[in-house]
Amino acid sequence: DVKVTQSSRYLVKRTGEKVFLECVQDMDHENMFWYRQDPGLGLRLIYFSYDVKMKEKGDIPEGYSVSREKKERFSLILESASTNQTSMYLCASSSSRVRETQYFGPGTRLLVL
Amino acid sequence: AQKITQTQPGMFVQEKEAVTLDCTYDTSDQSYGLFWYKQPSSGEMIFLIYQGSYDEQNATEGRYSLNFQKARKSANLVISASQLGDSAMYFCAMRDREDSSYKLIFGSGTRLLVRP
Repeated sequence: DVKVTQSSRYLVKRTGEKVFLECVQDMDHENMFWYRQDPGLGLRLIYFSYDVKMKEKGDIPEGYSVSREKKERFSLILESASTNQTSMYLCASSSSRVRETQYFGPGTRLLVL
Repeated sequence: AQKITQTQPGMFVQEKEAVTLDCTYDTSDQSYGLFWYKQPSSGEMIFLIYQGSYDEQNATEGRYSLNFQKARKSANLVISASQLGDSAMYFCAMRDREDSSYKLIFGSGTRLLVRP
């Protein structure tokens, strides 16, 4: 079974803190993605990566950065957390086969106070 | 630009009945894929079904089927014989198969509640 794990299910941080969200997949997938999910807005892509050390901006990259030093690990970084970054964060991975779905982690619910 | 529209924020269905969740999409591409995901209250996104734009038949996976109408740009999910465990958020998503990034674009979702 494909497994995508995220480092935390719930996080509470204070405004201005640096926040790291970690994602690990065990299927040797080339592609990894970070989304945020807000009520009524669906999932919006923050960043994605199609190879080690490669990253591309998604639709809402402002306030975020990412790191992919190893193929299996994709980190999302909030350099200085703000209250409007309170959200559910979902990591996903996929192979590069055309019909391949994305496999998602369990999500991290982040609250920024 | 590509866009997915789910016009039903919430729906009710009686247990054991069938239900259709609507999804329309907008793209100028000829080659694309359409996905449906289920998200229970636990939060994890679960892949349900896939339809390629060139697939001649509608996709089916157990109790899930996809009513694909290419000319109308709709890809509705049909759940037959609803079960209580089907209560969840459902998301329709699209990928441009000519886009090497393999990004997905999601709709805003439909919350389905199955009544006993």
